[in-house]
Amino acid sequence: GEDVEQSLFLSVREGDSSVINCTYTDSSSTYLYWYKQEPGAGLQLLTYIFSNMDMKQDQRLTVLLNKKDKHLSLRIADTQTGDSAIYFCAENSGGGADGLTFGKGTHLIIQP
Amino acid sequence: GAGVSQSPSNKVTEKGKDVELRCDPISGHTALYWYRQSLGQGLEFLIYFQGNSAPDKSGLPSDRFSAERTGGSVSTLTIQRTQQEDSAVYLCASSFRTGAAGELFFGEGSRLTVL
Repeated sequence: GEDVEQSLFLSVREGDSSVINCTYTDSSSTYLYWYKQEPGAGLQLLTYIFSNMDMKQDQRLTVLLNKKDKHLSLRIADTQTGDSAIYFCAENSGGGADGLTFGKGTHLIIQP
Repeated sequence: GAGVSQSPSNKVTEKGKDVELRCDPISGHTALYWYRQSLGQGLEFLIYFQGNSAPDKSGLPSDRFSAERTGGSVSTLTIQRTQQEDSAVYLCASSFRTGAAGELFFGEGSRLTVL
């Protein structure tokens, strides 16, 4: 079945780059997403990438997609304390409920 | 308001009681979703409404869970005879289109604690 895997925690120093990784199993995914959840809040779409792309850059964010290995990553340059949140990887494979399957989320912890 | 609104934000109940959680989606959004977020479990899909179509209930964990969406807008998630394992944050999301991009707009959630 569909599955999205992420590490549960990532700790980085303020100012360093953060790289959050995700693997998925459904090769028919058309879109892959990164959502951000700040403490006490709902999820918010951070960025997404279409499956025929291998990279997307948006200011401090870089998304890399390796479709062959079904690997998605989110790089945050110059990580700030405000980036502290849970980051969810999700895929849209066109199944029920829009086919959105979420990973368990990666807690990004920023060290001063 | 402009966003997805959920109420109550916090609910503490005793085991065996029924609870209702409400979601008011963004106006004009045809799709509405309920998810459950438990510690260490990520987001668990519960149910999906799209327009006037029959809802996708494939994620409901038991027959104690039900949801309805009246008039294509507000949705209520009902949990009957609550159990301690139902304790979680229940998140509602809406979107105005399916397929492409698939951006979901989430509410802040309703935190349910079953004693």
